[in-house]
Amino acid sequence: KAGVTQTPRYLIKTRGQQVTLSCSPISGHRSVSWYQQTPGQGLQFLFEYFSETQRNKGNFPGRFSGRQFSNSRSEMNVSTLELGDSALYLCASNSAYYEQYFGPGTRLTVT
Amino acid sequence: GESVGLHLPTLSVQEGDNSIINCAYSNSASDYFIWYKQESGKGPQFIIDIRSNMDKRQGQRVTVLLNKTVKHLSLQIAATQPGDSAVYFCAENIGGNEKLTFGTGTRLTIIP
Repeated sequence: KAGVTQTPRYLIKTRGQQVTLSCSPISGHRSVSWYQQTPGQGLQFLFEYFSETQRNKGNFPGRFSGRQFSNSRSEMNVSTLELGDSALYLCASNSAYYEQYFGPGTRLTVT
Repeated sequence: GESVGLHLPTLSVQEGDNSIINCAYSNSASDYFIWYKQESGKGPQFIIDIRSNMDKRQGQRVTVLLNKTVKHLSLQIAATQPGDSAVYFCAENIGGNEKLTFGTGTRLTIIP
């Protein structure tokens, strides 16, 4: 069974730009969660999608958004990038029993 | 509010010895806990989980203990190997809503 795929793996953007990250969950998993990981704040929950609907949301500004497609693939978007958005963005594929399996992450650098 | 903390940010253990990584949580409503291992440049890797109706769960070389009275969680790794060197995170879930709250992590270093 293939694992969680995230693309791209690395990204460099400039302040003010926007970025879209993609995640393909494990086959059969219908729920996807997104997390931001930084040295200062650790791993923080962004949002979770199930069957194309956002079910849970963390405490991030509206510049952070996401969506899920009918094939369970998910994207997250960050608009008007700030330097503080530099982080490792992790996608987790959620089983029906709340086990979460993470992808390798997308390393975003904002300059 | 929710918080999950770790007692030590770093831990060094001799190869072959057992390691114990501790975690404290504050929300008594937490009902599901997971330990993750994260190696440099990789995403967190699921190690073992435990639900609040259990006190202990064992996997391959790993054991998780849950003490709900003092809101404490521990991960024991038996006969540590160089490949066990990583950052270990505990995470808690409340009410099965797919939102995990992570601790700050403990960096485990195995000394050859």
